[in-house]
Amino acid sequence: GQNIDQPTEMTATEGAIVQINCTYQTSGFNGLFWYQQHAGEAPTFLSYNVLDGLEEKGRFSSFLSRSKGYSYLLLKELQMKDSASYLCAVVDSNYQLIWGAGTKLIIKP
Amino acid sequence: KAGVTQTPRYLIKTRGQQVTLSCSPISGHRSVSWYQQTPGQGLQFLFEYFSETQRNKGNFPGRFSGRQFSNSRSEMNVSTLELGDSALYLCASSLAPGQGGNSGANVLTFGAGSRLTVL
Repeated sequence: GQNIDQPTEMTATEGAIVQINCTYQTSGFNGLFWYQQHAGEAPTFLSYNVLDGLEEKGRFSSFLSRSKGYSYLLLKELQMKDSASYLCAVVDSNYQLIWGAGTKLIIKP
Repeated sequence: KAGVTQTPRYLIKTRGQQVTLSCSPISGHRSVSWYQQTPGQGLQFLFEYFSETQRNKGNFPGRFSGRQFSNSRSEMNVSTLELGDSALYLCASSLAPGQGGNSGANVLTFGAGSRLTVL
């Protein structure tokens, strides 16, 4: 079966750095997405990785290792507004998105 | 430009009833996907439509159905509602169906969802 694993919940302090991991076992791989979802709101696109390495976009960076079936989302200079759920999704060989259950990130002052 | 619009935002039904949810994609987006979201389960894929054709379907019973119109608007229907159908139903649109690659065409834009409660 296909599986995406993410930690259920993480807590971090305002101004700090946090890394949210995502490991996957899927039938094929055609890219990996990270989305952010604030409580009661729609998920919004953060990043897309298809090649190994780090993609940096402001305070957010996303890393991919295809050989290890592993990705992480790195959030720097955390702000209270970063409190949200972070969803990892993999595009499989049929170009279908397989979603993780999401990681709820709690930021404390 | 307007985002993805879902109606209704909230609804309450009783077991055995049926419900129809509507989704208007971003103008120019021709692909519409539907997801069910429940706490701790993540997003569960229901179906994907492109040019009025269902391209993919998730592992949901036949009580869940959908369609897409010529203007790319989509509806999903759930018949004979069960308590377990209580969830947030999210619609997402994209320029084209998932193609892989970094073209951006398959980046999903989600609507705010329709929250269904079945009593």
